[in-house]
Amino acid sequence: NAGVTQTPKFQVLKTGQSMTLQCAQDMNHNSMYWYRQDPGMGLRLIYYSASEGTTDKGEVPNGYNVSRLNKREFSLRLESAAPSQTSVYFCASSEWGTGYTFGSGTRLTVV
Amino acid sequence: SQQGEEDPQALSIQEGENATMNCSYKTSINNLQWYRQNSGRGLVHLILIRSNEREKHSGRLRVTLDTSKKSSSLLITASRAADTASYFCATDGDSNYQLIWGAGTKLIIKP
Repeated sequence: NAGVTQTPKFQVLKTGQSMTLQCAQDMNHNSMYWYRQDPGMGLRLIYYSASEGTTDKGEVPNGYNVSRLNKREFSLRLESAAPSQTSVYFCASSEWGTGYTFGSGTRLTVV
Repeated sequence: SQQGEEDPQALSIQEGENATMNCSYKTSINNLQWYRQNSGRGLVHLILIRSNEREKHSGRLRVTLDTSKKSSSLLITASRAADTASYFCATDGDSNYQLIWGAGTKLIIKP
């Protein structure tokens, strides 16, 4: 099925550990996004990539890095995980002026 | 910062009734989007309405937009148990790459 695939679905990290969240889309969309969602809050944008070869900070970029590996793939890296980064992470993709397609999310717990 | 606001925060109705959710925003927009999120899942795009449109339909969904009041409403007619979910509005504001999200309306359909 066409869509956005995120891996892993669940992850538990110890404070200070690093990890990379993977995201791939097969809809040939130019733009890709990483969001976090915390209880009772809407989505907050971490980073986005308007097109292949570009990345930009969103609302909450501190503690994260991203790589737009090619048009299909956009990864999110936590270099030194902190408990404040416990959240559900969503990757999404879109074309300009259209709705976003979201992945199913990664539930990350940092202990 | 979150500038979109959904109202009410929670809504519980009987199956078969209509459900109306409202969204207010603060900045000028090019488009406004509505999304559904089932518990523990990713967001699903429902409808995108452009600033020059006043009403849009998709199946049992009807979205209205009043740019003079900076508000939108989502009407779900003949509700079903499967409509139980959280509903979010998002506006593009200054950038289609940085949508402004509300905190969502939690809709519960009682059988």
